[in-house]
Amino acid sequence: DTEVTQTPKHLVMGMTNKKSLKCEQHMGHRAMYWYKQKAKKPPELMFVYSYEKLSINESVPSRFSPECPNSSLLNLHLHALQPEDSALYLCASSQEDRLGEKLFFGSGTQLSVL
Amino acid sequence: AQSVAQPEDQVNVAEGNPLTVKCTYSVSGNPYLFWYVQYPNRGLQFLLKYITGDNLVKGSYGFEAEFNKSQTSFHLKKPSALVSDSALYFCAVRDDGGNTPLVFGKGTRLSVIA
Repeated sequence: DTEVTQTPKHLVMGMTNKKSLKCEQHMGHRAMYWYKQKAKKPPELMFVYSYEKLSINESVPSRFSPECPNSSLLNLHLHALQPEDSALYLCASSQEDRLGEKLFFGSGTQLSVL
Repeated sequence: AQSVAQPEDQVNVAEGNPLTVKCTYSVSGNPYLFWYVQYPNRGLQFLLKYITGDNLVKGSYGFEAEFNKSQTSFHLKKPSALVSDSALYFCAVRDDGGNTPLVFGKGTRLSVIA
């Protein structure tokens, strides 16, 4: 199994809603990542978890709250988002967070905030 | 600080012709260089990487890239383009001098015309 699975594929939410994005991998990877990608732009790193501990938070607003319940799962909790938060949210994993590791990406959740 | 530049927003090539997608980088230490491809409504897929060793790196789907230290470049190449190669290509770099996260270029859209 070489897949990173993200659910839901599409999400529409209002600015007062609370929702969660989910990511799952069964490759035994110990590093997991959340990226945000706007249309026709490169992915921007949001968070990195290494061995289930948050190792990098790229100054992301607190309305985004990551969680890593176990080594296979990664969640992104959303609350009080703004329309400018609409984007493709990509989850990725790698064996470890090391310099030469390649990332495996999920297909993403396309988020629209109304 | 590390950075990566993809000078072309769009590259058009006829099917069967060779293709080149350009990438230059800037790092303080030694570069770890990657190419990823993104098809519409999908996450990124790893194509190839340069860590050390031979300057010519071969990757997936017949792609290769040449590391040129003096020109700080890592251009992606393929001898004969296919229509199915049409996608968004991202160059990325990680700097062993700062142990910072992977940084992506802005992306180059490749269109292969039949």
